[in-house]
Amino acid sequence: GENVEQHPSTLSVQEGDSAVIKCTYSDSASNYFPWYKQELGKGPQLIIDIRSNVGEKKDQRIAVTLNKTAKHFSLHITETQPEDSAVYFCAPGGSNFGNEKLTFGTGTRLTIIP
Amino acid sequence: DGGITQSPKYLFRKEGQNVTLSCEQNLNHDAMYWYRQDPGQGLRLIYYSQIVNDFQKGDIAEGYSVSREKKESFPLTVTSAQKNPTAFYLCASSLGQRQEPQHFGDGTRLSIL
Repeated sequence: GENVEQHPSTLSVQEGDSAVIKCTYSDSASNYFPWYKQELGKGPQLIIDIRSNVGEKKDQRIAVTLNKTAKHFSLHITETQPEDSAVYFCAPGGSNFGNEKLTFGTGTRLTIIP
Repeated sequence: DGGITQSPKYLFRKEGQNVTLSCEQNLNHDAMYWYRQDPGQGLRLIYYSQIVNDFQKGDIAEGYSVSREKKESFPLTVTSAQKNPTAFYLCASSLGQRQEPQHFGDGTRLSIL
């Protein structure tokens, strides 16, 4: 099965600075790389995803970069704001035909310091 | 609005009892999933279903059962065989195709009295 490691487990940044979270996976057949944001007491929400034919994707202040050779992908948040404080999960998957199984990392708790 | 509804939000169970968690979606998704989340940990897959009347075990299926009689519904039963049932349970759905995202409900927190 897929082994997923996410670093760091906690991250504190000053408001306005950038945050980067890295996810390393083991299954070279994985071809779908989403990032989810989970707020307290809520379910995870998809914030950005990337497919294996693309190396980078950006959506306003959020970007994801993918290095398939090294089997890792990263979440980049620029100009951080207090509402960015949450737990973030990577969940690589998509390696089995017709099956959208994802394997979740253990999460990164991001705290934005005002 | 389309989405996934989990109920109840909080659930209490006495030891030795079975309890069923509800999950309904109106997104017309084929695939549905149940995850368990423990404090400070990621999500672990319990069961998933790619189509009505079919489902497969995930990584931690022991002590749980599911049914998929309707496309919209995927209830999870936590049986008395589950020795450590206290957790946050999350239901998700997706189109069921590769490279498509899963959409989550807001979870049910189960506690043992």
